[in-house]
Amino acid sequence: DTGVSQDPRHKITKRGQNVTFRCDPISEHNRLYWYRQTLGQGPEFLTYFQNEAQLEKSRLLSDRFSAERPKGSFSTLEIQRTEQGDSAMYLCASSFQGVNSPLHFGNGTRLTVT
Amino acid sequence: LAKTTQPISMDSYEGQEVNITCSHNNIATNDYITWYQQFPSQGPRFIIQGYKTKVTNEVASLFIPADRKSSTLSLPRVSLSDTAVYYCLVGDIENNYGQNFVFGPGTRLSVLP
Repeated sequence: DTGVSQDPRHKITKRGQNVTFRCDPISEHNRLYWYRQTLGQGPEFLTYFQNEAQLEKSRLLSDRFSAERPKGSFSTLEIQRTEQGDSAMYLCASSFQGVNSPLHFGNGTRLTVT
Repeated sequence: LAKTTQPISMDSYEGQEVNITCSHNNIATNDYITWYQQFPSQGPRFIIQGYKTKVTNEVASLFIPADRKSSTLSLPRVSLSDTAVYYCLVGDIENNYGQNFVFGPGTRLSVLP
């Protein structure tokens, strides 16, 4: 179990640029989640995949955000035309389906939009 | 959607037992209670999960009364390294793990020497 890996750990970009983050979940896990966390707040759910199917999207996920999980393995989260309000920690988590399968989080990608 | 309420912050001293209570008055039949710990610049880490009565593992205990409208995370003999934010989540982890599994602002525990 190598844990959930996220890349990059930090990203600084200028407003209006596009950014893409990658998440490599624990290999046996079929569920993958993206969350966003701002300072002093708990993580906010963005979207969730079961295998390669994107099953839920939060209303927080505007049309500038898109997530993919090709082949049910790694996932990418892209933000187009970034805004300063997108500055946050983006967390990825994975799990099995079912009881006694908690979320395993990566250490996140911290995005700063200048 | 089972909303949770926790104290915003707590202080304790090294070696003491810490109990953090979470209220979830509208918990549903299929909902489980899960606690996570988060250190700065890290993702949350699973601590413990339960459905009813008492659950214990190597790091914590979780007490859930019969009505399940609250739960208490108990950390025995805390150390400075237990300083973190603790989140209580309630949700149907079998069938609906996305939008109905909500992190609140958590409880910021400060352990003092």
